[in-house]
Amino acid sequence: DGGITQSPKYLFRKEGQNVTLSCEQNLNHDAMYWYRQDPGQGLRLIYYSQIVNDFQKGDIAEGYSVSREKKESFPLTVTSAQKNPTAFYLCASSSRQANYGYTFGSGTRLTVV
Amino acid sequence: GQNIDQPTEMTATEGAIVQINCTYQTSGFNGLFWYQQHAGEAPTFLSYNVLDGLEEKGRFSSFLSRSKGYSYLLLKELQMKDSASYLCAVRSGAGNTPLVFGKGTRLSVIA
Repeated sequence: DGGITQSPKYLFRKEGQNVTLSCEQNLNHDAMYWYRQDPGQGLRLIYYSQIVNDFQKGDIAEGYSVSREKKESFPLTVTSAQKNPTAFYLCASSSRQANYGYTFGSGTRLTVV
Repeated sequence: GQNIDQPTEMTATEGAIVQINCTYQTSGFNGLFWYQQHAGEAPTFLSYNVLDGLEEKGRFSSFLSRSKGYSYLLLKELQMKDSASYLCAVRSGAGNTPLVFGKGTRLSVIA
């Protein structure tokens, strides 16, 4: 079955470390997205990519980096420059059909220890 | 910029009907989505509206008025499992333009 997979489900990071969150989809979707969700907050856009080898900053890109070398994969790196990285991170993908919306991964909960 | 407002919390009784409102301000409107999110899980798609009117899907219906920048999600015959957050999201632009989400409405269904 087609879907979108995020890993790991839980991740602990020491202060000053970079960590990379994985996101893989086999839906043949062109576009992929990373959002961050904090308690009581909606989803805030970090980065998105509409085609391979291209990506754009979202509203809160500072302290994060991404790559899109393959259509299926859109990893997110949380760098040491991100001052408050503890959050729930959601990856999503979509096709060009406007009414399709997103398919979400199951999320990664990142905690700084 | 874009602004999406929805109530923070609502409580309703099992078997009742509840309406969750969403107002938005945006340019280039190209669709409004409703998602359900249980605690600690990913959002799941409920409905999509791009034209004015009501879309019905089982116990869930969604309404859109583009001129008023207003939508609502209607949940009928509430069940305990409907306790969740409901997210309103708007697209402004072509098919793969990122969605902008409201902060979500946490619905508690009580016996």
